[in-house]
Amino acid sequence: DQQVKQNSPSLSVQEGRISILNCDYTNSMFDYFLWYKKYPAEGPTFLISISSIKDKNEDGRFTVFLNKSAKHLSLHIVPSQPGDSAVYFCAASALWGGGSNYKLTFGKGTLLTVNP
Amino acid sequence: NAGVTQTPKFRVLKTGQSMTLLCAQDMNHEYMYWYRQDPGMGLRLIHYSVGEGTTAKGEVPDGYNVSRLKKQNFLLGLESAAPSQTSVYFCASRSPAGWSYEQYFGPGTRLTVT
Repeated sequence: DQQVKQNSPSLSVQEGRISILNCDYTNSMFDYFLWYKKYPAEGPTFLISISSIKDKNEDGRFTVFLNKSAKHLSLHIVPSQPGDSAVYFCAASALWGGGSNYKLTFGKGTLLTVNP
Repeated sequence: NAGVTQTPKFRVLKTGQSMTLLCAQDMNHEYMYWYRQDPGMGLRLIHYSVGEGTTAKGEVPDGYNVSRLKKQNFLLGLESAAPSQTSVYFCASRSPAGWSYEQYFGPGTRLTVT
């Protein structure tokens, strides 16, 4: 049962254009969403996040949009740069195991390639 | 500030062998996590710890044990390695303070079990 889905395994865009990465979720208890970026042979690094009480969060070239009714979020990168080429993971947070601890559930990732 | 470090970076084991992966963080974080990542899969939580001396099971705990004897270290053990445990293992940590659930990840350990 995949609670966080990234249905596009890969995405290719031209430098300077917009990259849009999508993520769908099924668990309505998720209350916080994060995007991580991962280069080969490195660990994931935090990119941007959004609380479920908001519908948009912006940080420089990166904007995350949340549509709670559709259980959908997206990451927009404008303008895209070759250095943005990486795997992007969507993650969602919810209470875990009946206790007070939060757990991140990750999607499978989308490989973004930005062509010069 | 080294952040989160993991040793070793690579390891090849034979079926049935044991090993311990070490994770260390210098950010004074309370929470620490062990994940595995398999091809075409997201990161899956193996075990986690919410403080020194505490551990708990994640989504895929079978075949693994953990210990958190010191706040800065989180050890992942494989008692009898199996080929199904071939994976990339990531350690992460975070502070429980504030509203951010951001976790900081180490560079990973690539383990192959033959």
